[in-house]
Amino acid sequence: DSGVTQTPKHLITATGQRVTLRCSPRSGDLSVYWYQQSLDQGLQFLIQYYNGEERAKGNILERFSAQQFPDLHSELNLSSLELGDSALYFCASSVAIGAPDTQYFGPGTRLTVL
Amino acid sequence: GENVEQHPSTLSVQEGDSAVIKCTYSDSASNYFPWYKQELGKRPQLIIDIRSNVGEKKDQRIAVTLNKTAKHFSLHITETQPEDSAVYFCAASIKGGSNYKLTFGKGTLLTVNP
Repeated sequence: DSGVTQTPKHLITATGQRVTLRCSPRSGDLSVYWYQQSLDQGLQFLIQYYNGEERAKGNILERFSAQQFPDLHSELNLSSLELGDSALYFCASSVAIGAPDTQYFGPGTRLTVL
Repeated sequence: GENVEQHPSTLSVQEGDSAVIKCTYSDSASNYFPWYKQELGKRPQLIIDIRSNVGEKKDQRIAVTLNKTAKHFSLHITETQPEDSAVYFCAASIKGGSNYKLTFGKGTLLTVNP
């Protein structure tokens, strides 16, 4: 167990809908990262937050957004869902951003868009 | 941006043999190189990492080597066991401003045959 929690574990929804994925980082970690992993694909970095502020963006679609709250948990919002959005979504956390730091991954949320 | 190439994409070995997975990176400023193991449907788990001021690191049956001049690093697993079967991802960390971001390779599916 990495100490990073994610809810829900599974999510099944229809095209055009909106969902919210939730992540709680390890105790003491200030940085949260979101990744998308599609079938046969590697880990695609989406976005990073540090202590409530957005710090880096990767290949995140405009239909997707995220935020980090004062208690450091983070939410990833996916809207106008398409079939191709079906994937495993992982969040990871690390202590800080001032030095290259180990990222610990949560168990993931499996999103299925029908 | 950083680009990480990982080879081979699949690797099959007999139990007890060694396995080697290689990664190359493009940005010479990369300074942190973790390796993650991901079992089917599970979260990526850090198995070993190396920083740019070190050429080699070992942890029991797992070792990582880094050649900064050639910009490549490798994962070595000796005396492989069936439970080593998984997808292995390499990553490279690059600094952008005050921020560090991981770029992942596409993964290697390792199968250890009993």
